[in-house]
Amino acid sequence: EPEVTQTPSHQVTQMGQEVILRCVPISNHLYFYWYRQILGQKVEFLVSFYNNEISEKSEIFDDQFSVERPDGSNFTLKIRSTKLEDSAMYFCASRSLAGTAQETQYFGPGTRLLVL
Amino acid sequence: KNEVEQSPQNLTAQEGEFITINCSYSVGISALHWLQQHPGGGIVSLFMLSSGKKKHGRLIATINIQEKHSSLHITASHPRDSAVYICAVPEQGAQKLVFGQGTRLTINP
Repeated sequence: EPEVTQTPSHQVTQMGQEVILRCVPISNHLYFYWYRQILGQKVEFLVSFYNNEISEKSEIFDDQFSVERPDGSNFTLKIRSTKLEDSAMYFCASRSLAGTAQETQYFGPGTRLLVL
Repeated sequence: KNEVEQSPQNLTAQEGEFITINCSYSVGISALHWLQQHPGGGIVSLFMLSSGKKKHGRLIATINIQEKHSSLHITASHPRDSAVYICAVPEQGAQKLVFGQGTRLTINP
């Protein structure tokens, strides 16, 4: 069965460093998402991406964050200068259809980011 | 803005028991997602439903759109069902999902 994959599974970085989290969505999917979950808290929406541009972003997704789909398969989240509070599990998700969020989203296994 | 509340927050039961987890939301929606988060952190989508009931194996999800309420049931629970169960709904007019805080289920042998 097709699945969303994410690399790395774990990343430890120093505060102020740049990190890139990578995701390979399911191949025929059109909508892509990043979510994060700080330890002990709810999963939060960061950004959605469709047709090679951001379609929606949350207030968390400030200028330190960026997303791109550089080669038609990978979908990346870049954090330019990490802060301690960026430590979280980051989930990528994808779904097949445009329109509303009624279609099932398929989640990747997550990348656990620790900023020291 | 849609608010999602789950109950209970924690649930411990013995193997074989029938489990019910509840989810309420504040703004009318067209569909609701139930997700399972494994102890290692990964998330799996269990159900997306917009009306009535769906069944998959020992899992049953129901939704009452008028009452803005959904339940997830597990029959003949097993220790491998131990996980965090999360419901999520679309934010009205938006693409994103809004998540509940999760219900931590522990099934003891």
